[in-house]
Amino acid sequence: DTEVTQTPKHLVMGMTNKKSLKCEQHMGHRAMYWYKQKAKKPPELMFVYSYEKLSINESVPSRFSPECPNSSLLNLHLHALQPEDSALYLCASSQVWAGGNNEQFFGPGTRLTVL
Amino acid sequence: AQTVTQSQPEMSVQEAETVTLSCTYDTSESDYYLFWYKQPPSRQMILVIRQEAYKQQNATENRFSVNFQKAAKSFSLKISDSQLGDAAMYFCAYRSLLGGNKLVFGAGTILRVKS
Repeated sequence: DTEVTQTPKHLVMGMTNKKSLKCEQHMGHRAMYWYKQKAKKPPELMFVYSYEKLSINESVPSRFSPECPNSSLLNLHLHALQPEDSALYLCASSQVWAGGNNEQFFGPGTRLTVL
Repeated sequence: AQTVTQSQPEMSVQEAETVTLSCTYDTSESDYYLFWYKQPPSRQMILVIRQEAYKQQNATENRFSVNFQKAAKSFSLKISDSQLGDAAMYFCAYRSLLGGNKLVFGAGTILRVKS
């Protein structure tokens, strides 16, 4: 199984709502990533978890709150978002964070619209 | 810091023809990985091909091959016998061997395939 799954596929939320994005992988990977991608742009790294611990936070606003409850699951909690946060949110995973021939496997993404 | 440049925002190719996508990068490191990722309109990003900088031999995956010129810091992707399913955004990416598994992406090239 080389699949990263993400739910929901689409999400529309108001600026006062609280919602969560979910990402799951069953490849035994110990590194998981959140990316934000605007239309026709490359993905921008937001967070990296390594062995369930937050390793990288790319200066992401606190209205985005990541969580890694176990080695297979990654959440992104959203609160008080702005319309400019509307984007495709991609999750990825790799065997480990550092070293080796370490392919990142990407999920299909969640299309987020903030009204 | 490393940078990746894709100078072709859009390319078109006729079905069954060959197309080459350009990528240049800037780094002071001698060992690193380079990747080409494909992101079709369905959004899922998949790895097309990877190249380890210490390997002089150009990587090949079926109809996809690269021309890796280390001294020139060039990493182009050649797609032979283009198919309609090759239509996608293609991202060139760099990964250092130092630190973690952070990818530096180029701006992307939209490839259109004409039937």
